[in-house]
Amino acid sequence: LAKTTQPISMDSYEGQEVNITCSHNNIATNDYITWYQQFPSQGPRFIIQGYKTKVTNEVASLFIPADRKSSTLSLPRVSLSDTAVYYCLVGDLGDYKLSFGAGTTVTVRA
Amino acid sequence: GAVVSQHPSWVICKSGTSVKIECRSLDFQATTMFWYRQFPKQSLMLMATSNEGSKATYEQGVEKDKFLINHASLTLSTLTVTSAHPEDSSFYICSARGQGGNSPLHFGNGTRLTVT
Repeated sequence: LAKTTQPISMDSYEGQEVNITCSHNNIATNDYITWYQQFPSQGPRFIIQGYKTKVTNEVASLFIPADRKSSTLSLPRVSLSDTAVYYCLVGDLGDYKLSFGAGTTVTVRA
Repeated sequence: GAVVSQHPSWVICKSGTSVKIECRSLDFQATTMFWYRQFPKQSLMLMATSNEGSKATYEQGVEKDKFLINHASLTLSTLTVTSAHPEDSSFYICSARGQGGNSPLHFGNGTRLTVT
C-alpha cells in the first residue's frame, strides 16, 4: 500500500481557494488517488478520485502530475462548512484495502 | 449514488454486554465491506475485511473473537462487539465499494459506542 504524507493542518478564510498536497512517492501502476472529507462524528465522504492529469467535479479539482508521486486537492472558494479533515488515499481499486493517513485538518475562518 | 447505511448511529451499553452494529449497502451489492475504528482526534484504523459468504479477514492486533463479523448477504455486514469494555468505546465505521470498475469506497455514517 502506498504511504501518503499530508500537512497536518491548514487555515484559510471564507472565499479563498484551498490546495492540499499529498505525497505518495511509492504509488503503484494500478493505484488510484481518492480524497475524502470527514466531519466530526460522521463517516468519510467521497470528494474526488483520479488516476492522472486533472479531474474536476462540482465540489473540487484534483491535480496529478505526470509522475503521480503527489496530488493536489483544490477546493475553490471555501466556506465555513468546509472545515473538516481531508484524507488522501492511494490504492488499487481492485483491492481497496485502504489505509488512512493522519489527514489534513482544514479550518476555514470568517 | 452508492449509499451505505449504518445502524445504530450511537449506542450506550454496560460493560460485559455485547453490541451489534449493522452496515447495509442500500442500492448496490457489496461482496466486500470494511470495518474501521476511530478514536477521538485520530485517523481511521482498519479492523477487518468482511467477505460475503466467508470468514472475515482481521488486521493484526484485532481480536477476531471479540469483534465478530458476519457478512451473510450481499447487502449486509454486522459487527458484534462481544463482552464490551470501556476501552472498546470508539467510533466504528463501515465501508463498501460501489459497483463499477472504478467505483470508490463509500462509508457509513458511523456508530458511536460508549461502554459504561
